[in-house]
Amino acid sequence: ETGVTQTPRHLVMGMTNKKSLKCEQHLGHNAMYWYKQSAKKPLELMFVYNFKEQTENNSVPSRFSPECPNSSHLFLHLHTLQPEDSALYLCASSQNSGEQFFGPGTRLTVL
Amino acid sequence: EDKVVQSPLSLVVHEGDTVTLNCSYEVTNFRSLLWYKQEKKAPTFLFMLTSSGIEKKSGRLSSILDKKELFSILNITATQTGDSAVYLCNAGGTSYGKLTFGQGTILTVHP
Repeated sequence: ETGVTQTPRHLVMGMTNKKSLKCEQHLGHNAMYWYKQSAKKPLELMFVYNFKEQTENNSVPSRFSPECPNSSHLFLHLHTLQPEDSALYLCASSQNSGEQFFGPGTRLTVL
Repeated sequence: EDKVVQSPLSLVVHEGDTVTLNCSYEVTNFRSLLWYKQEKKAPTFLFMLTSSGIEKKSGRLSSILDKKELFSILNITATQTGDSAVYLCNAGGTSYGKLTFGQGTILTVHP
């Protein structure tokens, strides 16, 4: 256990559904991240939050909408996704720019 | 644009062999380079390197950074089947959240 939890672990959704991924860190870190990991591709950084403020948005489509209500919780709201959005979505946290601790990920399948 | 390139992309060895994994980077205002191991779950942290020429060691794993030539190597001696994983390299600059992962090296260790 890394101190970062993610729910759900698996999610299957249709293209018209709306769902949310949740991440919680119990490490007292100030930064949280969303990554997308597709087969045979490098980890792609999606969003970064530092003390609840978004500091990085790597040209992510608007069908992905992050929310960070406090330093311990991070959400990724999903709507009208495409099949190519199927991937493993990883959440991570760090203290400043130090090592990142990753959650177990949510395996997302878009039908 | 920041870039991290790992080589080789995949490597197959036998138990007891020594392997060297490479990570080269081009990162604006470079601050740190991190190595992670990813099995069938989220990446786990191995090393964080910020200074040139100082070897970090943990058991059979060691790593070193060359800030002049902009690369790092990860060495694994006396490999075991449990070392089979994807090894990820991540480099970041001083700008908050600017983290770039390489594509990873898939290491397979046969008995």
